[in-house]
Amino acid sequence: DQQVKQNSPSLSVQEGRISILNCDYTNSMFDYFLWYKKYPAEGPTFLISISSIKDKNEDGRFTVFLNKSAKHLSLHIVPSQPGDSAVYFCAAQDDKIIFGKGTRLHILP
Amino acid sequence: DAEITQSPRHKITETGRQVTLACHQTWNHNNMFWYRQDLGHGLRLIHYSYGVQDTNKGEVSDGYSVSRSNTEDLPLTLESAASSQTSVYFCASSESSTGELFFGEGSRLTVL
Repeated sequence: DQQVKQNSPSLSVQEGRISILNCDYTNSMFDYFLWYKKYPAEGPTFLISISSIKDKNEDGRFTVFLNKSAKHLSLHIVPSQPGDSAVYFCAAQDDKIIFGKGTRLHILP
Repeated sequence: DAEITQSPRHKITETGRQVTLACHQTWNHNNMFWYRQDLGHGLRLIHYSYGVQDTNKGEVSDGYSVSRSNTEDLPLTLESAASSQTSVYFCASSESSTGELFFGEGSRLTVL
């Protein structure tokens, strides 16, 4: 059974607007949550993370929110830029790191 | 600059053949991982290692094996390749306990 779920396979957002990517998890023992970004024909690259003891972490245009009671996290990108078009993977860590299926983000001009 | 490299980048093989994908990192990271990426499945963990002589099974380890004889390398072996193992394989490494992985560029394997 999937422990990390990204239920939206794709998302289209107008340039300059906010992009919100969502992720749900089932294992309450996860202690770190991470977002990775992947361009075609490249390996994923780390974007931002959050510890399970926090509810928000911000890094420039990227903010991750964690709602532990709902077992839900989200990545906000504002403002969205053309270079943000990529596949975004949510990941969670206990003794290993488990990824979701990914959400393909399209930034529209 | 430190890096993580995978070879070969592309491989075509036949069902039943043994295949080894190499992964080499120069960061001196203790932790190394192998994932496969498939459409509709995202990244799935195959095997991982937290140090020399340590190996652990991930979510989809059947048909795969790894060995860790030094810090820099974690080769992935498919003992008898199957068409279901056609995929893009990513190796990754990390030092911290906070999950920040550094990925290689991937190895695309086709099993005919």
